[in-house]
Amino acid sequence: AIRMTQSPSSLSASTGDRVTITCRASQGISSYLAWYQQKPGKAPKLLIYAASTLQSGVPSRFSGSGSGTDFTLTISCLQSEDFATYYCQQYYSYPPTFGPGTKVDIK
Amino acid sequence: EVQLVESGGGLVQPGGSLKLSCAASGFTFSGSAMHWVRQASGKGLEWVGRIRSKANSYATAYAASVKGRFTISRDDSKNTAYLQMNSLKTEDTAVYYCTRLSYSGSYQDWGQGTLVTVSS
Repeated sequence: AIRMTQSPSSLSASTGDRVTITCRASQGISSYLAWYQQKPGKAPKLLIYAASTLQSGVPSRFSGSGSGTDFTLTISCLQSEDFATYYCQQYYSYPPTFGPGTKVDIK
Repeated sequence: EVQLVESGGGLVQPGGSLKLSCAASGFTFSGSAMHWVRQASGKGLEWVGRIRSKANSYATAYAASVKGRFTISRDDSKNTAYLQMNSLKTEDTAVYYCTRLSYSGSYQDWGQGTLVTVSS
């Protein structure tokens, strides 16, 4: 199985900050990568797929980049509703695997 | 509007069985692959398995951690997917989500989840 790692595991930030989360795959996955946001007690929400395509309805302050093994999720101007845990997921090969998550909380 | 509603969770003893349901609406269920993903309390997301559509022979696949114990099925006439869980272990305790595989290969739609607790 392809192993996904994320860094950092958590970060503290303030509203208005620019935040970058990194995701790395244990082998090349082309651009078959998605990013999800999850708030406590809620199901994950798809933010980005195909590494850089913004899901419909997701604010443009979210962006994704990368291909192969290294990917980033950037939130350009953090809003209060963005405090949550973020997961990357590869769907290049079975089984689909998720990163361990990055928790973004308030500084 | 797409809706996925899981049900059937609860408390079960180790070694027991439980069957979860996922009722779908708002999209062409019969043409969609349906997946199950779980999340233990305070932990990350773990893919459990999936079932493809009739056009893809209802093919199933499972995570190594559940293979041989869990079975995914579907009833397209009822727009419902199922997760039959046998020989449950304490480590199967989690919230179980059903999710629809989108055309892009990612999970666009999720249910609210149902909690399964395996404990004596």
